[in-house]
Amino acid sequence: GAVVSQHPSRVICKSGTSVKIECRSLDFQATTMFWYRQFPKQSLMLMATSNEGSKATYEQGVEKDKFLINHASLTLSTLTVTSAHPEDSSFYICSAPGTAGLGSQPQHFGDGTRLSIL
Amino acid sequence: DAKTTQPPSMDCAEGRAANLPCNHSTISGNEYVYWYRQIHSQGPQYIIHGLKNNETNEMASLIITEDRKSSTLILPHATLRDTAVYYCIALRTSYGKLTFGQGTILTVHP
Repeated sequence: GAVVSQHPSRVICKSGTSVKIECRSLDFQATTMFWYRQFPKQSLMLMATSNEGSKATYEQGVEKDKFLINHASLTLSTLTVTSAHPEDSSFYICSAPGTAGLGSQPQHFGDGTRLSIL
Repeated sequence: DAKTTQPPSMDCAEGRAANLPCNHSTISGNEYVYWYRQIHSQGPQYIIHGLKNNETNEMASLIITEDRKSSTLILPHATLRDTAVYYCIALRTSYGKLTFGQGTILTVHP
């Protein structure tokens, strides 16, 4: 079945560092991918929609200059947390819709990236 | 997308059926009902989805009422590994962004 791979699974770094998270669709093409953030004991919150070959669409309240999204190919989207601070520590998850052309097919999620900023 | 309402938590004995309800009284005719679950510290996992008819797969069954205002996810023989947060989402197309509510925390106990 469709698989979404997310890397790294965990990262710990110092405040001020920029961190890049990769999201790959392994056996299907994804013109659209979604990035979510989840704080402890809370639900997933959509951050942005990543569109292949065009600019990402950010949800209200998400700083586009802080969370840079690049979707340069049909199988890869990256989220870069720039100049990360402790308040950016969270669980970041990506997803991609299933087979193109079948509107009811489910989205597939990566296993998430646990980001800890010291 | 229609708002969904789920109980915050449920318990189930191992081996018994777990029936998780979801209310979506404002669902429109072209919105599907999707169920996902999230096991601790993992990404959400797709379980099942349906439009009007009841659906069954290797993981679960989905029962949708005739008026489509509510649905029930059934895990026929719950195991300890089914302990997770279960999310019910109404969505017109899978290409759209998913809006996660608080879901139902299902705890399966021995």
